[in-house]
Amino acid sequence: EADIYQTPRYLVIGTGKKITLECSQTMGHDKMYWYQQDPGMELHLIHYSYGVNSTEKGDLSSESTVSRIRTEHFPLTLESARPSHTSQYLCASTGPTDEQYFGPGTRLTVT
Amino acid sequence: AQTVTQSQPEMSVQEAETVTLSCTYDTSENNYYLFWYKQPPSRQMILVIRQEAYKQQNATENRFSVNFQKAAKSFSLKISDSQLGDTAMYFCAFMVNNAGNMLTFGGGTRLMVKP
Repeated sequence: EADIYQTPRYLVIGTGKKITLECSQTMGHDKMYWYQQDPGMELHLIHYSYGVNSTEKGDLSSESTVSRIRTEHFPLTLESARPSHTSQYLCASTGPTDEQYFGPGTRLTVT
Repeated sequence: AQTVTQSQPEMSVQEAETVTLSCTYDTSENNYYLFWYKQPPSRQMILVIRQEAYKQQNATENRFSVNFQKAAKSFSLKISDSQLGDTAMYFCAFMVNNAGNMLTFGGGTRLMVKP
């Protein structure tokens, strides 16, 4: 499996809480991505980064924000969680071969 | 914009038999990549096979092979000698060959391999 990690793996949290989903990779990849995936459904890109201090929004509108202060770290933050944010969040990175490596995902439930 | 369509939400196959998963895509680009990803239950998404659009030869990785029909914009995945460990969601994905490396995914096909 690829060297890309996400924490927590599972999170149940109440409405209105601020949460940060962590993603880190040890492969030195410049490009990183966040996808949102509802159970059994396709992935939708919500954020991406080409490198340090570079962040862009993806195809699917999201109330989350991201930062990229270090190459290996690409956290995603929700300032005020809502039940509509319940989903699985997948982090990925791309190296020189264009293959995307995925993390194990964080399954978020907002009650 | 690119779209990827997987017309088979669910499929099943007997162990040791062969199964083909369908994928079609729509694009005006000429230089792109196609991928099949596998997502086992509660496990990490992994790359199964990739195909460069400029290559006419179909990609093969052990028991996995593709049938790439560029004119028809079709990219099916054939799994030979199916194994129980092949049970997973399979996603077809498209990527334009540029600096972004962003993937557009199909809706997925849930494959069940039965003993």
